Amino acid sequence: DAGVTQSPTHLIKTRGQQVTLRCSPKSGHDTVSWYQQALGQGPQFIFQYYEEEERQRGNFPDRFSGHQFPNYSSELNVNALLLGDSALYLCASSLLWAGDSGNTIYFGEGSWLTVV
Amino acid sequence: KQEVTQIPAALSVPEGENLVLNCSFTDSAIYNLQWFRQDPGKGLTSLLLIQSSQREQTSGRLNASLDKSSGRSTLYIAASQPGDSATYLCAVSLGSGGGADGLTFGKGTHLIIQP
Repeated sequence: DAGVTQSPTHLIKTRGQQVTLRCSPKSGHDTVSWYQQALGQGPQFIFQYYEEEERQRGNFPDRFSGHQFPNYSSELNVNALLLGDSALYLCASSLLWAGDSGNTIYFGEGSWLTVV
Repeated sequence: KQEVTQIPAALSVPEGENLVLNCSFTDSAIYNLQWFRQDPGKGLTSLLLIQSSQREQTSGRLNASLDKSSGRSTLYIAASQPGDSATYLCAVSLGSGGGADGLTFGKGTHLIIQP
């Protein structure tokens, strides 16, 4: 059973460019969340998708947008890149309602974005 | 706004010691609390999940407790091993009532176990 897969693993972009990161959730999961992790910091919640809709959003500007496809995979798009967007971008998948067993969240290995 | 603090920021101990990592959060209205492990340059692995109605969870040498009213959780690692070296992150759900809400993380405790 494949876990959460993300692509690409590493990429370098120039300020002002746009980037798209991709995520395939763990089999059976219906909810995808995206996080940004700067060096030495904990992950920061960007947004969450369920049933192809943005369900929750953290404190990130509109330059950060996303999409979820019918097969539950997801994309994170960042426009007008800034140097400060350089970080590890993590995708996490889960079931929206897991009942009493609780919602264990599975993370991918992340996409390292460097903006120069 | 929920804030999560982890103490200590870094810890280095000899192999075999028992140790405690601390996590505190400012808003007690959480849905659940999770402890994760992160190896350098890698994603996160869930270690333990405690629902808001629970007091503790155990998995092998790991035990996590939750005191929701005081906004505190501890992760206890027994008989530490060099393979336990990693960053340990505490996270609480945003608690909007959903089952898989976004998480608020602490900055983590960087743990080194000396052979």
